[in-house]
Amino acid sequence: DVKVTQSSRYLVKRTGEKVFLECVQDMDHENMFWYRQDPGLGLRLIYFSYDVKMKEKGDIPEGYSVSREKKERFSLILESASTNQTSMYLCASQTGAEQETQYFGPGTRLLVL
Amino acid sequence: AQKITQTQPGMFVQEKEAVTLDCTYDTSDQSYGLFWYKQPSSGEMIFLIYQGSYDEQNATEGRYSLNFQKARKSANLVISASQLGDSAMYFCAMRELYNFNKFYFGSGTKLNVKP
Repeated sequence: DVKVTQSSRYLVKRTGEKVFLECVQDMDHENMFWYRQDPGLGLRLIYFSYDVKMKEKGDIPEGYSVSREKKERFSLILESASTNQTSMYLCASQTGAEQETQYFGPGTRLLVL
Repeated sequence: AQKITQTQPGMFVQEKEAVTLDCTYDTSDQSYGLFWYKQPSSGEMIFLIYQGSYDEQNATEGRYSLNFQKARKSANLVISASQLGDSAMYFCAMRELYNFNKFYFGSGTKLNVKP
């Protein structure tokens, strides 16, 4: 079974804090993704990575950065959290195969006060 | 322009009846994949069904089938014999193979199954 884990299910942070969200997958997948999910907007891609140390901006990268030092781990960093970053954050991984789905972690609900 | 459009924010269906969730997509690629996911209130995303752009037959997985109309760029999900456990958010997604394997998601449809 593919497993994607995220470091926290729920997180409460203060405005201005630096926040780290960690994601680990155990299936040796090349591609990893970070999304945020907001009501009525679906999932929006923040960043993705197709190899170690490689990253590409998604549709809404502003205010975020990422790190992929090892193949299995993809971190999302909020350099200075703001209230408009309160959201559900989902990590996913996939192989490069055409019909392969993305496998999602359980999500982290982040509240920035 | 929106890559994936789901026009039904919420839907109700009676238990044991069939329901169709709409999805239209926009791409100029010839090769792409279409996916449907279910997200219960617990939050995890569950993969349901896949349709490749070159597949001639509509995909089926148990009670789920995908009504793929390529010329109309639509990929509607049909759930037959609805169950109470089908109540959830449903997301349509598209993968463009020549664009870094990016996935695009719709805004979702909240399905409520009534007993």
